[in-house]
Amino acid sequence: IQLTQSPSSLSASVGDRVTITCRASQGISSYLAWYQKKPGKAPKLLIYAASTLQSGVPSRFSGSGSGTDFTLTISSLQPEDFATYYCQQLNRYPRLFTFGPGTKVDIK
Amino acid sequence: QVQLQESGPGLVKPSGTLSLTCTVSGGSISSSNWWSWVRQPPGKGLEWIGEIYHIGSTNYNPSLKSRVTISVDKSKNQFSLKLSSVTAADTAVYYCATSVVPTHFDYWGQGTLVTVSS
Repeated sequence: IQLTQSPSSLSASVGDRVTITCRASQGISSYLAWYQKKPGKAPKLLIYAASTLQSGVPSRFSGSGSGTDFTLTISSLQPEDFATYYCQQLNRYPRLFTFGPGTKVDIK
Repeated sequence: QVQLQESGPGLVKPSGTLSLTCTVSGGSISSSNWWSWVRQPPGKGLEWIGEIYHIGSTNYNPSLKSRVTISVDKSKNQFSLKLSSVTAADTAVYYCATSVVPTHFDYWGQGTLVTVSS
């Protein structure tokens, strides 16, 4: 199963609503997670099971979707949100994790 | 809270074997977690390498399977990665990662850069 993300990059301003899409090459279960990655830092889990907010993650982050199409939304972009975002899915049998290619969010 | 720390050589010669260890603290490697390795080459995305369960069961990324071995040392609360026949394409930051729920990763090591060069 391949994951694609769109857009591959975007420029946005503080306060903007940002939506990133992750599309799977075939229908997947809800084992879809989203991570934020900043240079020199480990990835940070934001969303798992497609729409469950990880503890401690601000509520401006939300996830939705099912089947082949999933979205990560940042309702009001903050300065600390400029980063690269990756989706990740799990194929259960056999177990195999796949990451999307990433979406870089930078300052307009 | 589980903490992970990678260790190992930062430089490996081409055709050699990359060896890294992840030390687990704040939890037991014998818990019901899968323990994974993930890497990120410079300027590229994240790639899952493989995982191990404490009883020794493993799953590997098919693209790396012929060169990867992941093992666990319960006495040291560690798990390890060996990647053989390395080339410059294996230069990356290598992370160990895990989660209580084995569908994603919520605990990560800080990452360690391994460069393949003569």
